[in-house]
Amino acid sequence: QKEVEQDPGPLSVPEGAIVSLNCTYSNSAFQYFMWYRQYSRKGPELLMYTYSSGNKEDGRFTAQVDKSSKYISLFIRDSQPSDSATYLCAMSAGETSYDKVIFGPGTSLSVIP
Amino acid sequence: DADVTQTPRNRITKTGKRIMLECSQTKGHDRMYWYRQDPGLGLRLIYYSFDVKDINKGEISDGYSVSRQAQAKFSLSLESAIPNQTALYFCATGGVGGFSRTEQFFGPGTRLTVL
Repeated sequence: QKEVEQDPGPLSVPEGAIVSLNCTYSNSAFQYFMWYRQYSRKGPELLMYTYSSGNKEDGRFTAQVDKSSKYISLFIRDSQPSDSATYLCAMSAGETSYDKVIFGPGTSLSVIP
Repeated sequence: DADVTQTPRNRITKTGKRIMLECSQTKGHDRMYWYRQDPGLGLRLIYYSFDVKDINKGEISDGYSVSRQAQAKFSLSLESAIPNQTALYFCATGGVGGFSRTEQFFGPGTRLTVL
C-alpha cells in the first residue's frame, strides 16, 4: 500500500461547480497536510496547508483533515477555468529535519467555461 | 526573476550519455531537493541536501548523483542515462523551523528524454 493515495482523474467540471479532491494516507505520524497546485509546464506551488486536524478556509478553497479516517479533502467553490491544473496532496510528520514530504500522484482538474 | 531556476528546461539525449541538470536559488534557503515526476507516480525524492556538507539519498537515488557547489546551487547528474530516466525533474528549496522545514518551493522543471 502506498503511503499516500490520490485518484488521478482526470476530473472535468463545468464552471461554477463545487469540486472535491481527496487523498487517503496510511502513516498516522503525519501532522502537516498540504495541497499543491501545478499548472501545465510549471512547478508545483503551495496552495494551502493544515496542521493536525480540522478545517482551513482561504477564499474559495477549503482544506479538511480527518485524522481518524486518515483522509484529507480540498474543496473548491465556484470553480473557475483558471483553477484547471493538477492538484497534489502532500504530507509530512514534520517533527525532525529528516522527515520527508510524501506527495500524492496528483488529480488533474479541468474546469470547462 | 524566479526564485528557483533550472537549466536546461528541456533536454533530449541518448542512452549512455552523461547529463547534468542544474538548479540555482535566490531564496537563501539551506535545504535543496531533487525530485522526478512520472505520470501516475507523482513526485519521488532523488536526493536532498541540508547544507553544502550534508547530502542524503532519497527513495530513488540509484543511477543519479548530486553536487552541492554552494548554498545556492545544487546539481543532479545522470552518469549513464537510460530510457527509464525519461521524466520531468524538479529542484526544490525549503527553509528551517516549524512549517518552513516542510514547505517546499519548486523550480519550473526540466523535461528530460533519454532515447
